[in-house]
Amino acid sequence: QVQLQESGPGLVKPSETLSLTCVVSGGSISSHYWSWIRQPAGKGLEWIGRIYSIGSPTYNSSLKSRITMSLDTSKNQFSLKLNSVTAADTAVYYCARLRDRPTPWAFDIWGQGTVVTVSS
Amino acid sequence: DIVLTQSPGTLSLSPGERATLSCRASQTVTTSYFSWYQQKPGQAPRLLIYGASSRAAGIPDRFSGSGSGTDFTLTISRLEPEDFAVYYCQQFGSSPMFSFGQGTKLEIK
Repeated sequence: QVQLQESGPGLVKPSETLSLTCVVSGGSISSHYWSWIRQPAGKGLEWIGRIYSIGSPTYNSSLKSRITMSLDTSKNQFSLKLNSVTAADTAVYYCARLRDRPTPWAFDIWGQGTVVTVSS
Repeated sequence: DIVLTQSPGTLSLSPGERATLSCRASQTVTTSYFSWYQQKPGQAPRLLIYGASSRAAGIPDRFSGSGSGTDFTLTISRLEPEDFAVYYCQQFGSSPMFSFGQGTKLEIK
C-alpha cells in the first residue's frame, strides 16, 4: 500500500528556509495530487499547498509569498520550501495524498509527520 | 474565505453512548468535497468520511456522516474506547482551497 515519509531538518533558524521532502512508496506519484499540511502544537490543521505532476502548484494565500513546492517523478517524491521562517512556523508538518475521482479532495493517506522548530 | 466551525469544542461521553459532532460552514460547501478526520495524540489524522457520507477504507460502520449545504454531522453510534480522540471537518472549494474546522475533542466522561 502507499506510504508517505517526511524528512528534513528538525531545527531551522529564524529568517532561514525550511526544506522538507516527502517520499512516496508503494505507488506512483504521478497518479494523484499531493499536499503539505501543518499543525502547531496543541492547535488545528492548516493546509499549505497542493501539487500534481502536471501544471503549477496551488498555495494557501496566507503563505503564498513564502512557499515553493516541487515534485520529482524520477524519485517519487515532492518537496516544500518555506522561506523567511519565524517562530510562528514551528509545527508538525505532514505530507498527504488527495483522493482521486469520483469523490476527490479528501486527504486519504498521511505521512507520520515531522516536527520543525524555528529557533536560534 | 470559508470558515468551518465545529461544535461542541469538547464532548464528554461514556463508552457505549452515541456521539453527535457538528460542523457548520460560513458558506455553502459542495457535499462531495466535505470530509471528517480522527486524530489521536502523537498520530497523523486519519480519514473517516469523504463526500460527506462515505466511509473511508477500514472505517467501522458505527461512524456515519450526513449533511449538506452549510451543516454537516458526524455520528458515532456506540462509542468504543478507541474512539476518544479529536475530530476535524474539512472542505475543498473556496479560498483557502482546503480548510479545516478547529476540532472537537471527544473525551471519556
